[in-house]
Amino acid sequence: QSALTQPASVSGSPGQSITISCTGTSSDVGGHHYVSWYQQYPGKAPKLMIYDVSHRPSGVSNRFSGSKSGNTASLTISGLQAEDEADYYCSSYTFTNTRVFGGGTKVTVL
Amino acid sequence: EVQLVQSGAEVQKPGESLRISCQGSGYSFRSFWISWVRQTPGKGLEWMGRIDPSDSSTKYSPSFEGHVTISADKSISTASLQWSSLKASDTAIYFCARHHKIQDAFDIWGQGTMLTVSS
Repeated sequence: QSALTQPASVSGSPGQSITISCTGTSSDVGGHHYVSWYQQYPGKAPKLMIYDVSHRPSGVSNRFSGSKSGNTASLTISGLQAEDEADYYCSSYTFTNTRVFGGGTKVTVL
Repeated sequence: EVQLVQSGAEVQKPGESLRISCQGSGYSFRSFWISWVRQTPGKGLEWMGRIDPSDSSTKYSPSFEGHVTISADKSISTASLQWSSLKASDTAIYFCARHHKIQDAFDIWGQGTMLTVSS
């Protein structure tokens, strides 16, 4: 199972919006709605930010939103803040009943 | 408070065996799967496999099947990840995560266990 494809890095200025893509295949991202996104600070455990493509867990800022089109899912961070600087990973269910992560995207706030 | 607490850092030699643990609290342990995720230094996340503590059924990633064993003891709300013969390439941080059966997301994470395998 190959990792999902994410850009290595994305940057933006405070207040701007950025979007991180996560590309898979019809056997994973494109085949169902079980796509989730995680935020990870250096030396810390990941934190769930989005589940089921576009749902936010309680306590996650509404500046984070998710969507999907075909085999590509996206995470958008609006009103970018310094505290959003972190690594972000997507994850998907696969049709072989395994799970796969993306390679991760480093978000830099300029 | 819902949490997963993992066992401490380990330094082992190649060929040795090892078990690391993950204890859940604050929720019904048998109602959620537990997944294990590997993160190699400076690298991304890799899903290793998951266990259903209610019946100990497992599903492994093909990349890890046969090299690790995932188990659980629901009586003590603890899941484990085990190696019978460690390799240097097993050096990594290992996270356990509560795996929501309906949302199919990892909604609670342990703090991670750092494993160093070196002669």
